[in-house]
Amino acid sequence: AAGVIQSPRHLIKEKRETATLKCYPIPRHDTVYWYQQGPGQDPQFLISFYEKMQSDKGSIPDRFSAQQFSDYHSELNMSSLELGDSALYFCASSSGNYNSPLHFGNGTRLTVT
Amino acid sequence: DQQVKQNSPSLSVQEGRISILNCDYTNSMFDYFLWYKKYPAEGPTFLISISSIKDKNEDGRFTVFLNKSAKHLSLHIVPSQPGDSAVYFCAAGGLNAGGTSYGKLTFGQGTILTVHP
Repeated sequence: AAGVIQSPRHLIKEKRETATLKCYPIPRHDTVYWYQQGPGQDPQFLISFYEKMQSDKGSIPDRFSAQQFSDYHSELNMSSLELGDSALYFCASSSGNYNSPLHFGNGTRLTVT
Repeated sequence: DQQVKQNSPSLSVQEGRISILNCDYTNSMFDYFLWYKKYPAEGPTFLISISSIKDKNEDGRFTVFLNKSAKHLSLHIVPSQPGDSAVYFCAAGGLNAGGTSYGKLTFGQGTILTVHP
């Protein structure tokens, strides 16, 4: 079965650079979520989109922005990168219905040097 | 403020025995609970879920129990297999404050399960 696809798998950037992470949800899933997992931490919710509109917002820095496109894929844009942004970034998708579980991609490991 | 807590960082179990992973939560607005399994270099994999209207949900070797009054849930794996060795995350969700969005999850810190042959 098709899963959530994230690209790239690994990304190395320098401080103050920008990065764009992409997420392709499971077909027919209309809701996308972004999570950040720091070393030794649990995943922290950043932002979600339902039908191309932002549906919820968590602890996402103002330097980050995201959007969901007409084909339901989503991109997380990160600017003025800081060392502390180094983390695993997971995207998840769901059908958005009550009790619909989130299915996660394998993540993008961002390293900021 | 950790709203979802997994107080055991690790658990070691013999193959064939039962594994019991525990999770506590503090936010009474949570009404949907999930367990995820995570291997290194992979995303969390959904295992099983339970809504607050139930106290038990079973799927093969996995059973989740929910005690709403105690704000506690547990995942039972029986019999445990070496392939079950992974990090297990408990997650909780509910409607957002505006009642317009469902699905944002709050995760616990994870428990490393090791199943010995």
